[in-house]
Amino acid sequence: GDSVTQMEGPVTLSEEAFLTINCTYTATGYPSLFWYVQYPGEGLQLLLKATKADDKGSNKGFEATYRKETTSFHLEKGSVQVSDSAVYFCALGFSGGYNKLIFGAGTRLAVHP
Amino acid sequence: DVKVTQSSRYLVKRTGEKVFLECVQDMDHENMFWYRQDPGLGLRLIYFSYDVKMKEKGDIPEGYSVSREKKERFSLILESASTNQTSMYLCASSPPSYSPLHFGNGTRLTVT
Repeated sequence: GDSVTQMEGPVTLSEEAFLTINCTYTATGYPSLFWYVQYPGEGLQLLLKATKADDKGSNKGFEATYRKETTSFHLEKGSVQVSDSAVYFCALGFSGGYNKLIFGAGTRLAVHP
Repeated sequence: DVKVTQSSRYLVKRTGEKVFLECVQDMDHENMFWYRQDPGLGLRLIYFSYDVKMKEKGDIPEGYSVSREKKERFSLILESASTNQTSMYLCASSPPSYSPLHFGNGTRLTVT
């Protein structure tokens, strides 16, 4: 069945370091791909999305490119801040499917000053 | 801004109790969802609803039921709570068109 695999955390970085969180997926058909972020004590919120191959989603300095050939959607940021400390979830979904999403396990990011 | 409100932030219940988790959204969204979040497993879909009185099973519906009598409210029911249902429960809503889910802040349920 359809699934999402993320790199295990926690990921610990110093402020201004480069961030990569790996995400790969398995899907029948052509899903849309998402990154959601969960800050401490809050629900998830959409960070960025891409709806077709080679699309790049971006928001708040984060970027991810939909790579069909490698079935990947890795999240990157050039210079992380302490305020980026959160749990990041990769997800996939299909249009016309009532917006049901399949989530990865989540990757916790801790950024230290 | 869309607001999804879950009635309790923390809940402690005993094994065998019937438990109700309530979720209300204020944006007239057709779709509503219940997920549970567990470390290392991410979010798993329990049930969802695409209209009043309509419900569909998600990936892990066993031990749960839902109720949607009004468009804005979606309730998750644990008929007889068990310790393996200790978890964080997240409610979400969305319009019918393909758009982001809006999540509540979650209810952390402990079953003792």
